[in-house]
Parts: sequence; structure tokens; C-alpha cells
Amino acid sequence: DTEVTQTPKHLVMGMTNKKSLKCEQHMGHRAMYWYKQKAKKPPELMFVYSYEKLSINESVPSRFSPECPNSSLLNLHLHALQPEDSALYLCASSETQLAQPQHFGDGTRLSIL
Amino acid sequence: ELKVEQNPLFLSMQEGKNYTIYCNYSTTSDRLYWYRQDPGKSLESLFVLLSNGAVKQEGRLMASLDTKARLSTLHITAAVHDLSATYFCAVVVGNNRLAFGKGNQVVVIP
Repeated sequence: DTEVTQTPKHLVMGMTNKKSLKCEQHMGHRAMYWYKQKAKKPPELMFVYSYEKLSINESVPSRFSPECPNSSLLNLHLHALQPEDSALYLCASSETQLAQPQHFGDGTRLSIL
Repeated sequence: ELKVEQNPLFLSMQEGKNYTIYCNYSTTSDRLYWYRQDPGKSLESLFVLLSNGAVKQEGRLMASLDTKARLSTLHITAAVHDLSATYFCAVVVGNNRLAFGKGNQVVVIP
């Protein structure tokens, strides 16, 4: 069991669909992260939110749109994705952006048809 | 360019034997993390190494950090099947990003 909860666990979508990934933590952490991980590769940082404000965007294509509605929630809105976007999407949190370690959720396995 | 290199990338271990895997990094960093990942699963934090000479142990795993050599080692004592996983090291770099190595894929064979 992890303290960072991600839903859904699996998602299959077409290239024209709009869907959202959700991440929730109740540890009082003020930094939250989205990573993308391809098979047999390390995680790649996509976005960092610090105190509910976007702190880092690693030049991610605009078809990925993050949102942090409050300090416990982090969403990743998906639109017009490409097959190469199929991957495991991991959410993580830490006490602050300056504090480590990051605690990871179980991830959402995304497949684009 | 920052490099975090782990080796060997793949290691087949015999149960009961001892092994060491390595993480080298090319930039100054005072914090290094080891994570474990089982296939299709998330990353589990194993060790946080915060200073030169730091040594942490948990069960059959022991991690150490030499910041002068920019090297961390993860030593496995008397390997068991349950330790089969991919082990990632990550260093903290600018803006508190984590820079991950490619991972050490470990398979423990009876």
C-alpha cells in the first residue's frame, strides 16, 4: 500500500479522447510531481507543483495539462495523445520541493490506441 | 551534461551469494536516493544518503555514499529471490530535481 493514491490504475484511450489522471495524498505534503516512465527506463520528470503552483514544466507537450485543485490533489488532463505517450504515469509527493525523499504512487498504466 | 550511471545494468545473482551494484554520478550532489521497483509497480524508497561516508542498512541491503568519488554502492548480502527487482539510484540536482540512473535489473536465481 502507498500513501499516494492514483486513479485509474489502467486506462486505454483513443487519440481523440479526453481523459484525466488523478493523484491524491493526505500526508500534508506541499510538493507534488508527475513522472512518465517507459518500460525498462527510469522515470522522467514532467511537472512539479509547489504549494499548489506550477514550479517546473519540463517542456512537456501541451496535450498534457496538469492541475492542482488543492494541496492534496493533482490531476493530469490528457487530450489528443499519441501512441508514443503510452507509458506508466507516476505521481509523487514530498514535504516540500526542497525536501526529499519523494513518495510515489502505484501509477496509471496508460495505453493509447 | 549530468550523467548518472549504474552498473551493471543487468545482474543475475545466485541465492546465498553477495553482490555489489554501483551508481556513479557526474555532478556535485549531497543527496542520493536508492529506490526499488518491481515489474509494473511503483518506486519504493529504500535509502536516503545525505552525507559523505553515509552508510545505511536494511535487512540484506546496505548502501553507502562517497561524495568525493561521486559513487554510491548497494551491497546485497546472501541474495534471496525476494530481492529480484530493478534498483534505481537518483541524485538531487538543480531546482531539487531527481536525476535517475538507468537502473540495475537484478534477478536472483535459486
